[in-house]
Amino acid sequence: GENVEQHPSTLSVQEGDSAVIKCTYSDSASNYFPWYKQELGKRPQLIIDIRSNVGEKKDQRIAVTLNKTAKHFSLHITETQPEDSAVYFCAASGGANNLFFGTGTRLTVIP
Amino acid sequence: KAGVTQTPRYLIKTRGQQVTLSCSPISGHRSVSWYQQTPGQGLQFLFEYFSETQRNKGNFPGRFSGRQFSNSRSEMNVSTLELGDSALYLCASSSLLPGSNSPLHFGNGTRLTVT
Repeated sequence: GENVEQHPSTLSVQEGDSAVIKCTYSDSASNYFPWYKQELGKRPQLIIDIRSNVGEKKDQRIAVTLNKTAKHFSLHITETQPEDSAVYFCAASGGANNLFFGTGTRLTVIP
Repeated sequence: KAGVTQTPRYLIKTRGQQVTLSCSPISGHRSVSWYQQTPGQGLQFLFEYFSETQRNKGNFPGRFSGRQFSNSRSEMNVSTLELGDSALYLCASSSLLPGSNSPLHFGNGTRLTVT
């Protein structure tokens, strides 16, 4: 089955700096890559997703890049703010509604 | 629209007992999937239902089962509870057909503690 690895497990940045979280996947059949943000005690919320026919997608301060050849995808958050502090999960799926999640990155934005 | 609703929010059970968790998807969503979240294993897929049929199943023992009703509401059951079943159980619904990679919308989860 699919195996998703996520790095780093923890990340601290100063407010206003950029944050980058990287994931790799193993199954070349995976074609959908969402990112979820989970604040403490809350449900995971979709922040951005990308499909395999696209190399990059942006939504305001958030962007995701996908390299199908290398089987890795990354989340980029620019101009970080304290409210960006949360755990971020990447995931991969091959066409069914079952996602394979990475182990999460705890992002702390220091004011 | 109301979001995905899971009940109860918290449960405390004893080893050997069984438990049933409930999930009401977003109105109009016909696909419901279940995930287990633990600090050690992260988010792991349990199973997915669409139109009352189980479409996919993760690598969990047969003690974990589920079903979906005609109104798309879903339940999951865990029998013969073990300490390791303590986790946050998340339900997610989506609007598109399985195979179409539709965004999942998660509920707030049921936190199960097994003592």
